[in-house]
Amino acid sequence: SAVISQKPSRDICQRGTSLTIQCQVDSQVTMMFWYRQQPGQSLTLIATANQGSEATYESGFVIDKFPISRPNLTFSTLTVSNMSPEDSSIYLCSVEDTGQGDTEAFFGQGTRLTVV
Amino acid sequence: AQTVTQSQPEMSVQEAETVTLSCTYDTSESDYYLFWYKQPPSRQMILVIRQEAYKQQNATENRFSVNFQKAAKSFSLKISDSQLGDAAMYFCAYSSQGGSEKLVFGKGTKLTVNP
Repeated sequence: SAVISQKPSRDICQRGTSLTIQCQVDSQVTMMFWYRQQPGQSLTLIATANQGSEATYESGFVIDKFPISRPNLTFSTLTVSNMSPEDSSIYLCSVEDTGQGDTEAFFGQGTRLTVV
Repeated sequence: AQTVTQSQPEMSVQEAETVTLSCTYDTSESDYYLFWYKQPPSRQMILVIRQEAYKQQNATENRFSVNFQKAAKSFSLKISDSQLGDAAMYFCAYSSQGGSEKLVFGKGTKLTVNP
């Protein structure tokens, strides 16, 4: 099963600035996913990142606001650009890997972002 | 679009007792996958149990079992012999593909376990 290291674990940022979140996996994976979890809410998929191609964004999310890089099969970054207080959320990286015989999602521990 | 509904924002259970968390979903697909994830205060999302829609038999994992009612589009989680470590947010999730692509999550149920 995949082990995911996500950095930073938390940050407090000024509005108008940008934050880049890193996701490192201990094995090569084809697809990586970025989710947002707003306070008291569920997880919402932001985009799917494949190595060597543009990320695929879900409805309501755009590349200018959430640019994603996927330089190789073990690493991805999500940038939250021009932040506002509404961007305060937990951001989670996820990968698909084979666990106990079944393919399942593994998640990083998330980045708690507070925008002031 | 698929939707997942968890109607219980919070639940509580006494240690060693049994609790059932509810989940309903909406889809027009005939083959899909359902999951229950646990999110403790550490924020780590942990897969508790999964159910494949084409399997009629309800999935079980030790103290965790599901009641999958495909016609009713219901997927409840039963936790038996509740332990203090079971306290967490529990999310029901749907995927139209075998792995985990594009998981659609419910809003979650906060489970408290009282000693």
